[in-house]
Order: sequence, then structure tokens, then C-alpha cells
Amino acid sequence: KAGVTQTPRYLIKTRGQQVTLSCSPISGHRSVSWYQQTPGQGLQFLFEYFSETQRNKGNFPGRFSGRQFSNSRSEMNVSTLELGDSALYLCASSLAGQGGSGYTFGSGTRLTVV
Amino acid sequence: AQSVTQPDIHITVSEGASLELRCNYSYGATPYLFWYVQSPGQGLQLLLKYFSGDTLVQGIKGFEAEFKRSQSSFNLRKPSVHWSDAAEYFCAVVGVGATNKLIFGTGTLLAVQP
Repeated sequence: KAGVTQTPRYLIKTRGQQVTLSCSPISGHRSVSWYQQTPGQGLQFLFEYFSETQRNKGNFPGRFSGRQFSNSRSEMNVSTLELGDSALYLCASSLAGQGGSGYTFGSGTRLTVV
Repeated sequence: AQSVTQPDIHITVSEGASLELRCNYSYGATPYLFWYVQSPGQGLQLLLKYFSGDTLVQGIKGFEAEFKRSQSSFNLRKPSVHWSDAAEYFCAVVGVGATNKLIFGTGTLLAVQP
């Protein structure tokens, strides 16, 4: 079965712009969570959606937002981009609502803010 | 609060040698534990996971890990390293009964010498 699909793979944006990233989970998976990976901060949890509801949120400013659609596909949006938002953004797909169902990651979206 | 410590930032081993990557976690209840591998510019690939039961877990690519509750450790091992194992390895934890929020260690970068 198809894995987790993230689009686009690469993005270059200018400071002050906004960006939308997309994640299509594995078919049948209802949970999608997002992570930011940077050399300085490592892998940090952004938020998690389950059945179109945000259930958990990390310590990121309100410029970072997300949503999930009825088909479980998820988008995250970053407004008013800053240089420090340059990172690899990863999404993880999970079958159910708890850690025991495991997580499958996509290949990520590499965002560069100039 | 949950946390994961990977004390070795960088490890170099010779091809064919054995490998052990250390991981210590902090969590008040029973954790779910994971090891992921990441090649440059790629997403995270699951090597193995521990949910319950046998404390010695077998994974893909010949890796195994042992859960030791008394030491709060989940070390990753491989008896004979191949050049293709060069990558970054991440240990992660999520709490049983908690919503999906992986807490990652800072990673261990593995280099393999010919």
C-alpha cells in the first residue's frame, strides 16, 4: 500500500510570505502529526490531528497552524515566514489515536526561507 | 516530563564490527519506544519498536534493541555493520495512553569506515 506522501518536496520562500504544506497519510490512517527538524533544535512536535480535530499542539507560535480534511489528508500553514522557519517538515501517519499503533513518516518537505 | 537522551552524538565503526547505540528515556509510566533511521535529506524509517512483551525486539536490516526497565534504556545493536548503515539514528518515546506525540532524542550520527 502507498506510504505517506508529502508535497512539495522542496520549497523556497521569502521572509514574510506564507506557505502551505500537504500530507496524505496511509489509507485508513486517521491520525496525522507534524514535526519540524532543524540542526539546532532537532525533531520537535508541532501538532497532531485525529478525525479532523487537533488533539495536541507543541510549543510553536500561532503562525504555525494546520488542519485535517475528511479524507484524513492534512495541511500545515506557516504565515509570516521567518528565516528560522527553514527546516525539514515531516508528517507522520498513524492508524489510531494512541502510540501503540506506530507511526510512518513521509519523506518530508524541505523549506528554505530567504 | 518525557525525555530521551542519546549520549553519543557521533560514532564511527569499521565495516563488519558490532554496533551499539545508547538510548535512555525518562517517563513515569510504561512507554512505547522506537528507533528510527534517517539518511541525508530523507524522512524517518522505522527500524523497530517496543510496545510490550519480550524485551528483546528484532527489527529490519538486522537491528535489534533491548528494553531494560530498571535502567530506563532501549539500546540499539547490530552484530555486523555494513557501509550502507551509515546514517543518523533516532530513539523516540511516547507514553502509553497518551495521544500521539513522539519525543525524540537528539540523534546519533553513524559513520562506517571501510
